[in-house]
Amino acid sequence: GAVVSQHPSWVICKSGTSVKIECRSLDFQATTMFWYRQFPKQSLMLMATSNEGSKATYEQGVEKDKFLINHASLTLSTLTVTSAHPEDSSFYICSARVAESTDTQYFGPGTRLTVL
Amino acid sequence: DAKTTQPPSMDCAEGRAANLPCNHSTISGNEYVYWYRQIHSQGPQYIIHGLKNNETNEMASLIITEDRKSSTLILPHATLRDTAVYYCIVRVTRGYQKVTFGTGTKLQVIP
Repeated sequence: GAVVSQHPSWVICKSGTSVKIECRSLDFQATTMFWYRQFPKQSLMLMATSNEGSKATYEQGVEKDKFLINHASLTLSTLTVTSAHPEDSSFYICSARVAESTDTQYFGPGTRLTVL
Repeated sequence: DAKTTQPPSMDCAEGRAANLPCNHSTISGNEYVYWYRQIHSQGPQYIIHGLKNNETNEMASLIITEDRKSSTLILPHATLRDTAVYYCIVRVTRGYQKVTFGTGTKLQVIP
């Protein structure tokens, strides 16, 4: 149980285009999902907290107009990187909170974004 | 969330127990100790968590000192597939939901 999927697993795009990444909780409902970014040889950095049916809460320094988050259902959150640039190339990881347990979070496998 | 301190790297022989320490001297009474690991180019994987009692599951054991200022994650029989970065995190589980990752311990299991 507690499986989180992400799609796509990797994507290559041209500079200036937008890319959408999906995060799904497959066997549980997640009222809260989180989006992280990880650059090479660095730890995960929280970007935003996504709550179903409401606006996301962004961490300091993360541009909300560039990283659009939608959490329209209890099993799906999406992250759209708008007008992507090479510096946005990174490993994007989502997690979902299992509310029924002691607040354990389960992570997706990650999406490797490369912007040319 | 309380800050944690972990050694940056450790080696362990395959088949031996891997003991990964974590210091969390400023932990509060309502904060749990969580362990995650991240294998290269994958998302983090939940391992185990505890409040003050020792815990064991199919993956590992968690030993928390009586004063709760430190803990040890034990992988009883390390395999090559256990090579990963291991993160120790302390956090409240109600009302404050962020998981803040430190730099973790890079465990290298050696054949």
